[in-house]
Amino acid sequence: AQKVTQAQTEISVVEKEDVTLDCVYETRDTTYYLFWYKQPPSGELVFLIRRNSFDEQNEISGRYSWNFQKSTSSFNFTITASQVVDSAVYFCALKSGNYGGSQGNLIFGKGTKLSVKP
Amino acid sequence: KAGVTQTPRYLIKTRGQQVTLSCSPISGHRSVSWYQQTPGQGLQFLFEYFSETQRNKGNFPGRFSGRQFSNSRSEMNVSTLELGDSALYLCASVKGDRFSHEQYFGPGTRLTVT
Repeated sequence: AQKVTQAQTEISVVEKEDVTLDCVYETRDTTYYLFWYKQPPSGELVFLIRRNSFDEQNEISGRYSWNFQKSTSSFNFTITASQVVDSAVYFCALKSGNYGGSQGNLIFGKGTKLSVKP
Repeated sequence: KAGVTQTPRYLIKTRGQQVTLSCSPISGHRSVSWYQQTPGQGLQFLFEYFSETQRNKGNFPGRFSGRQFSNSRSEMNVSTLELGDSALYLCASVKGDRFSHEQYFGPGTRLTVT
């Protein structure tokens, strides 16, 4: 069975602090994809990043960075120098790569609510 | 490039009624997926459509159905509404080729069943 666990339900930080959001996944597939989405209060899920199972290279995009480790089945997300605008719910998601022609579906974690206070 | 649009944005219905939600994907995207988001269950996959065919279905009762039109627009229908159907319904658009895996979401339709 596929599963995504985001153990941190809520995190509160003060602006400019660094914060790491944890994501642990379970899958038996050899090919899979991992995602992070941001959901601001408006409700729309905003795509942040996708990683493929065969590419463990970490990625940095501005203040955002992602650490993918297959050995621990983790795909953690770090925000450096957090800002108030980073306040949102962040979701980690998993998708199997073994769906033939289908795009398959995303398995989401329960989300981590990040509050950044000024 | 216009994003995914969903209509209506808000709906209030009573138990027993039925409802139809609409989703227009990003231009050129051929696959549409639907998700239900509730505080208790989180984000759950409903179904996926590609070229007017349902390719994948989540674990929801038959009251939940959908379809896709030749222009890739999709609708989902919920019949005999129950209080537990109150949720944010999100539609996601995917390019549809074997190399595109990102799902781009619309703003959602917030359904309240009273």
